[in-house]
Amino acid sequence: GAVVSQHPSWVICKSGTSVKIECRSLDFQATTMFWYRQFPKQSLMLMATSNEGSKATYEQGVEKDKFLINHASLTLSTLTVTSAHPEDSSFYICSAPRGGVGGNEQFFGPGTRLTVL
Amino acid sequence: AQSVTQLDSQVPVFEEAPVELRCNYSSSVSVYLFWYVQYPNQGLQLLLKYLSGSTLVKGINGFEAEFNKSQTSFHLRKPSVHISDTAEYFCAVNSQGGSEKLVFGKGTKLTVNP
Repeated sequence: GAVVSQHPSWVICKSGTSVKIECRSLDFQATTMFWYRQFPKQSLMLMATSNEGSKATYEQGVEKDKFLINHASLTLSTLTVTSAHPEDSSFYICSAPRGGVGGNEQFFGPGTRLTVL
Repeated sequence: AQSVTQLDSQVPVFEEAPVELRCNYSSSVSVYLFWYVQYPNQGLQLLLKYLSGSTLVKGINGFEAEFNKSQTSFHLRKPSVHISDTAEYFCAVNSQGGSEKLVFGKGTKLTVNP
């Protein structure tokens, strides 16, 4: 199956700093990638759709200036959490769809655990 | 818009017992249906998917699910579970011919006890 990687797998930072998370599709190209946030023992909440070569589309209630998304190439999307605060601590997961017969299948990265002190 | 309801937040079972994890969805258009499994501190892994055709879908690790259009359900089943099946299971949908965005249920924590 297709592989999606994330880096770093975990990060601890001080309040007020910015953190960049990378999402890469390793063996296929993805014009679209999705960023999710998952709180402990809860489901995945879609934050935004990352579009290669254009602006990301954010879900309602997600601050675009807080969560900067850049989809610089067909295999890389980055999520930058700016001026991070403890409430931004969460598990961030990206996914990339790859076309298949009858519909696209989403391939998920392993996730990034962000802890803001 | 679609929505997904997973009726059970937690399901404890004994090893080698059968299990069913329930999923109902709501949508005004035809959908594709998915079940994902998440082990602790990991991303999601696709168990199985329904796109079209046979309503009984077989997936990895001995899991299967049946699409029931009239009841708008896509319940996941396994005839005999193992300790290693302990994980969080998510049901998800997206609309046919529409956005690739997935809408997830809240998840069901399956705990298999010895």
